[in-house]
Amino acid sequence: EAQVTQNPRYLITVTGKKLTVTCSQNMNHEYMSWYRQDPGLGLRQIYYSMNVEVTDKGDVPEGYKVSRKEKRNFPLILESPSPNQTSLYFCASSFLRGTWQYFGPGTRLTVT
Amino acid sequence: GENVEQHPSTLSVQEGDSAVIKCTYSDSASNYFPWYKQELGKRPQLIIDIRSNVGEKKDQRIAVTLNKTAKHFSLHITETQPEDSAVYFCAANLAGNYQLIWGAGTKLIIKP
Repeated sequence: EAQVTQNPRYLITVTGKKLTVTCSQNMNHEYMSWYRQDPGLGLRQIYYSMNVEVTDKGDVPEGYKVSRKEKRNFPLILESPSPNQTSLYFCASSFLRGTWQYFGPGTRLTVT
Repeated sequence: GENVEQHPSTLSVQEGDSAVIKCTYSDSASNYFPWYKQELGKRPQLIIDIRSNVGEKKDQRIAVTLNKTAKHFSLHITETQPEDSAVYFCAANLAGNYQLIWGAGTKLIIKP
């Protein structure tokens, strides 16, 4: 089954404690992306990747890092989380440039 | 840069009636227009898309129309059913770009 998976689905953490949210897709897609979704602000892109070892900033990259060492995985790293990073995070992938065909189930992150 | 406006923000229709959601875009170079459906607590799903060389596209009860002159595109849902209740997002993309520009979303409520 074609899918994008994310882990964990829910995470409560404290300010400053480094965390990683994993994202994996089984469709051999070149393009992957991270979004955050906040009430009233819609979907905002954090980072995206065009292929292995090729990434670029989206609209709201501050406070986040990504890596793309393998085609299937695109982890999101928060080196020093802050409360303003409390949000719902979605990973997405596509074989077409400029669209996002599949989204992961989401990770709800709370930073206290 | 590109800007996408979506209306209405909330739409309530009787079950069985039709629903229409409209988006306008600012950059005439945009050439790809997807629509996403997000049910409560779920991930966004790509439901239909249209490219600028096509004026209309249908898939069962949903259709999308594009008016390039007026720079607007619309989602039409006929014979609405309770499972159509969701937030619908439109988006636009410039040819060759990696980033989608998203509308703010329309909450569609289907009244029984």
